[in-house]
Amino acid sequence: NAGVMQNPRHLVRRRGQEARLRCSPMKGHSHVYWYRQLPEEGLKFMVYLQKENIIDESGMPKERFSAEFPKEGPSILRIQQVVRGDSAAYFCASSPPVAGDEQFFGPGTRLTVL
Amino acid sequence: KQEVTQIPAALSVPEGENLVLNCSFTDSAIYNLQWFRQDPGKGLTSLLLIQSSQREQTSGRLNASLDKSSGRSTLYIAASQPGDSATYLCAPANDYKLSFGAGTTVTVRA
Repeated sequence: NAGVMQNPRHLVRRRGQEARLRCSPMKGHSHVYWYRQLPEEGLKFMVYLQKENIIDESGMPKERFSAEFPKEGPSILRIQQVVRGDSAAYFCASSPPVAGDEQFFGPGTRLTVL
Repeated sequence: KQEVTQIPAALSVPEGENLVLNCSFTDSAIYNLQWFRQDPGKGLTSLLLIQSSQREQTSGRLNASLDKSSGRSTLYIAASQPGDSATYLCAPANDYKLSFGAGTTVTVRA
């Protein structure tokens, strides 16, 4: 059973470009979470999704950031018009459809904005 | 808002010593608590999950305790090895949201 997969592992963008981060959950998992780890800071919750639904996006910046988890395919975290402050490690986690269950993390995407 | 504090921030021990890592959190209304390990530049590896109704969970050389009412959890690592060198993160879950501390960075010297 493959773990949570994220790609790309490293992404470099210039200011003003768009960044698309992909996450494929573990097999059998229907819940996806995105977390962000800014340099020298702890991980912070961004958004929680189930298939075709955003359940909680309270941790996501109001502008430029969006997330989706379509019926088919990976979950996508999209950052439009990136700025230097978006440089961080973005982690995706998944869990089975059981409340209070364990979250498994992917290797992360390290975004660098030049 | 859940606040998580991990003490100490860093720890260096000779191989073979037992490790004690402390975690405190402010909101005791948690579903569960996970301990993770993070290696430099890598993702998080889940070590242990303690449900809110449990007091303790064990896996191999790892043992984690939970005192939900006082907002504390402790991770014990027995007979440490150089391969245990990493940052250890405590993450209580309120509903589905994990909150993270800054972690304890452990160095085990051979």
